[in-house]
Amino acid sequence: EAGVVQSPRYKIIEKKQPVAFWCNPISGHNTLYWYLQNLGQGPELLIRYENEEAVDDSQLPKDRFSAERLKGVDSTLKIQPAELGDSAVYLCASSPSGSSYEQYFGPGTRLTVT
Amino acid sequence: QKEVEQDPGPLSVPEGAIVSLNCTYSNSAFQYFMWYRQYSRKGPELLMYTYSSGNKEDGRFTAQVDKSSKYISLFIRDSQPSDSATYLCAMTDTGFQKLVFGTGTRLLVSP
Repeated sequence: EAGVVQSPRYKIIEKKQPVAFWCNPISGHNTLYWYLQNLGQGPELLIRYENEEAVDDSQLPKDRFSAERLKGVDSTLKIQPAELGDSAVYLCASSPSGSSYEQYFGPGTRLTVT
Repeated sequence: QKEVEQDPGPLSVPEGAIVSLNCTYSNSAFQYFMWYRQYSRKGPELLMYTYSSGNKEDGRFTAQVDKSSKYISLFIRDSQPSDSATYLCAMTDTGFQKLVFGTGTRLLVSP
């Protein structure tokens, strides 16, 4: 069974530029999460989807971050405009509904903003 | 104060040693406790989860939860160089609203 797929794996952009990350969860997993992981820190939740509905986006900086999960499968996370402090690893995870303790993570996208 | 505290390490041990990794937490509502392993430049991988207090064993790994002390542990027996990674504890309440992660402990097992 394929795991969580993310692309790109690495991205380098200049500040003020836009960037987008894509995630394809494990088949059948209705819950999808986007996390931010800074160096030496644990992942921090940005947004959680149940199917196509964003049920928790309280930690998403909405002035510059946006996300969508059309059709309740793939998801895209966008930053516009990017700032130097956005340099981090962006992780996508998925879980079966009602089992958020059993999350499966993708490899992440390492973003560097210069 | 963070909800979950974890010593960042690094923890260096020789091959074959017993490793003890620990987390403390402050939120008494946490009921599910997870351990993730993260290799360099990879996403976290779920190792084990336990519900409430008690022990759970899976091969060389044993997870312990002491809710009275708000303290959880992961023991690795007969540690191998391939166990070298960062180990993250995570926990959530029964509402499954979100996982709260520790900062991770970096483990180095030398041959």
